[in-house]
Amino acid sequence: GEDVEQSLFLSVREGDSSVINCTYTDSSSTYLYWYKQEPGAGLQLLTYIFSNMDMKQDQRLTVLLNKKDKHLSLRIADTQTGDSAIYFCADFYSSASKIIFGSGTRLSIRP
Amino acid sequence: GAGVSQSPSNKVTEKGKDVELRCDPISGHTALYWYRQSLGQGLEFLIYFQGNSAPDKSGLPSDRFSAERTGGSVSTLTIQRTQQEDSAVYLCASSLVGRGVIAGELFFGEGSRLTVL
Repeated sequence: GEDVEQSLFLSVREGDSSVINCTYTDSSSTYLYWYKQEPGAGLQLLTYIFSNMDMKQDQRLTVLLNKKDKHLSLRIADTQTGDSAIYFCADFYSSASKIIFGSGTRLSIRP
Repeated sequence: GAGVSQSPSNKVTEKGKDVELRCDPISGHTALYWYRQSLGQGLEFLIYFQGNSAPDKSGLPSDRFSAERTGGSVSTLTIQRTQQEDSAVYLCASSLVGRGVIAGELFFGEGSRLTVL
């Protein structure tokens, strides 16, 4: 069935790298996404990756995709307090034209 | 405004009452999604509208839930005979591209927080 899974919490020290992981079940994914939800705000698209890519880098963000293992990760370099948020992994199910989200990983930053 | 607008932002109701939640998408966006966000449950897909096509209702949890989209714009999510487990934040999102993902992105409203006592 349609499923996207990720751990619920991650705590990192300011300045360290954060790595948020996600697994999905769809064999025909075309796009995978990372959305960010800051406290009291709606979700915003942070970055996305096409399924024919292994890696995408955008400033402090690196997305890695392992299609064989159906594993997606988001690395945030030099994590700052402003990175505190919930990060959602999402998958586009082309067979149903809908986007399935994971449970979200709450990233907290400690000094 | 320019973003997705949802109302009410907060709704407290008694068990058994009906509620209506409204979503006003970004003008020109053809796709509209409803999701439910419960504590620790992530985003649960509810329903998807695309243009004049029949909506994908596969995520609606029970027949107490229904949604409509009038004139390809404003959408209303109705929950009949509310139960305590319906308490959640209901999020609406719209997208410019029909399927919402190939070249575009979902634009989310800030949600309607529903509390059923």
